[in-house]
Parts: sequence; structure tokens; C-alpha cells
Amino acid sequence: AQSVAQPEDQVNVAEGNPLTVKCTYSVSGNPYLFWYVQYPNRGLQFLLKYITGDNLVKGSYGFEAEFNKSQTSFHLKKPSALVSDSALYFCAVRDLNTGGFKTIFGAGTRLFVKA
Amino acid sequence: DGGITQSPKYLFRKEGQNVTLSCEQNLNHDAMYWYRQDPGQGLRLIYYSQIVNDFQKGDIAEGYSVSREKKESFPLTVTSAQKNPTAFYLCASSGTTGPNQPQHFGDGTRLSIL
Repeated sequence: AQSVAQPEDQVNVAEGNPLTVKCTYSVSGNPYLFWYVQYPNRGLQFLLKYITGDNLVKGSYGFEAEFNKSQTSFHLKKPSALVSDSALYFCAVRDLNTGGFKTIFGAGTRLFVKA
Repeated sequence: DGGITQSPKYLFRKEGQNVTLSCEQNLNHDAMYWYRQDPGQGLRLIYYSQIVNDFQKGDIAEGYSVSREKKESFPLTVTSAQKNPTAFYLCASSGTTGPNQPQHFGDGTRLSIL
């Protein structure tokens, strides 16, 4: 079965420090991986995706993610955190067993950036 | 600007009542989805539709119903059979050109029991 795991419920980081939000996946075949962000009482916003090619993917708001096939990971990173980055982050993978229409989401990681 | 509009933002349901949540998109997307979000549980798929007049059950369809009569609209009805309806409901859409398409989300409807 295809799945995605976010091992940390919460990540705390000081403003200006680098941040990492972890994600591991389990899929059969090539993975289609995504990161989304959710602010309070809002829907999810797409940040970035990995389909193929470079293992380092750049996305919105200065975020990037590193795809590691051997470790089946897709960690979200940012070199310098901002207080405004505080939000709920979701890793997701397309379920290719359903023709790619379904998306499997992780449980989410809450990021707190302290000033 | 293109996007997804969900209404109402807040909804209250009485015992034994059916309520309908609206979702409209002007992105010209074929695929639409309904998710339920509970604290600490991420998103769970209720129903999805790949094309007009067709839809499939997701992981937690019991107590819910949908229709897809127009490409732009995918309303969700929470029936009285859904015994624990209190949650944040999110509608999404995506293009069907392949699994590399991200989903676009509305800003949700928060449903509570009176």
C-alpha cells in the first residue's frame, strides 16, 4: 500500500535559523510527491512537487525539498525561517493504484518559528 | 482570478438534519474532491469525481453523498446518518492531465452540531 509519514507532530525553530520538516514515503513505482502548507482556518496551498529530475526541488516562499530515493524521504527545507512560516505542513503522494487521481496525505507537522 | 469557492464558511446542523456544503471552481478542472479534516488526523478523502456525472467513494464515504451535474460544481451533503459530522471540510480540484498536477483547495467549511 502507498503511504506517507511525517514523524514529527511539531517542529520548533528560531527565526533566521534553517528549518527541516521530515517526510518519508512508501510507494510502488515512481513517486509523485508534494508539499502543501495550511494557515489557520484556510485551505491547503501548494508549495512544491517532485516528479522526476533534480533531487533538490525549489518551490514557493523560499522553500525547497530534497528527494532521497535510497532513504525514501522528501524533507522540506528552508535556509532561514521566518515567523510568518509558522503553519501546518503536509507531505503528500499521488496514489498511482487509482490512476493517480487520489492523493494520500501525511498527518501534518506544525511548525512554530519563534522571533 | 481562478479558484475554488466554498460556502458557507460556518454551518450548524441540528439532530436528524441533512446539510449541503457548496463547492464551485472556475479553474476548468475535471477532477474534484471532498476531504474531511479532524485535528491531528490530516485529511481523509470522502468522495472524488474525475468527470461530470461520475464520482467514486473515498475512504470515509458513509453518511455523505455528492453529485456532479456540472463541471464547476461538486456539492457535498452530510446526512443524518453521519453521527459525528463536526469537522473542517475541504473541497479541492485538479487537472486530469496526469498525477503530476497539484490540487487546489478552497478555504473550507467548518461544520458543528447544535
